[in-house]
Amino acid sequence: EDKVVQSPLSLVVHEGDTVTLNCSYEVTNFRSLLWYKQEKKAPTFLFMLTSSGIEKKSGRLSSILDKKELFSILNITATQTGDSAIYLCAVPQGGSEKLVFGKGTKLTVNP
Amino acid sequence: DTGVSQDPRHKITKRGQNVTFRCDPISEHNRLYWYRQTLGQGPEFLTYFQNEAQLEKSRLLSDRFSAERPKGSFSTLEIQRTEQGDSAMYLCASSLNPPYEAFFGQGTRLTVV
Repeated sequence: EDKVVQSPLSLVVHEGDTVTLNCSYEVTNFRSLLWYKQEKKAPTFLFMLTSSGIEKKSGRLSSILDKKELFSILNITATQTGDSAIYLCAVPQGGSEKLVFGKGTKLTVNP
Repeated sequence: DTGVSQDPRHKITKRGQNVTFRCDPISEHNRLYWYRQTLGQGPEFLTYFQNEAQLEKSRLLSDRFSAERPKGSFSTLEIQRTEQGDSAMYLCASSLNPPYEAFFGQGTRLTVV
């Protein structure tokens, strides 16, 4: 069965720290991996990764995919309190358009 | 507002009652998804529409659950004879075509008492 495992499940840091969030996956017929940020309600889209080794970057956030080792990382540099959220990783299930999500990493950035 | 909108945002209902939620996707998006999320878990897939056709349903979607998307625009999710275990956040998402960049609505939080 397709699955996504995120680690750590929870992380507390101070403003200015750099964090790395991990996502490993098992899926048949891999097509893409997506990262979302969930603050109060709706997950908001961050990145979609399809190719190994190509870094996607948006401001202080960046992400990279390793299709050989079946994982992705999300880096956040110079963290701010506004980065506090749950970060979700998801992959489309093989042969389906359903997204399989991990449990998420709850990031808390303290001032 | 051109995002995905859901209504209501919160619903409290008594066990055994029926509830219906609505989702209005981004207008040009032909794909619409329903997910359910409980505390400490990622969203779990319930069902998916391409235009008006319901193409996939999860095993989670018992016969008490039904979803429609008439005319391929908005969608409704109905839960009949609600149970306490139905308490969750119900999220709707839409996308244009694969590859799967789905945009989520704010969700409807259901509490069954």
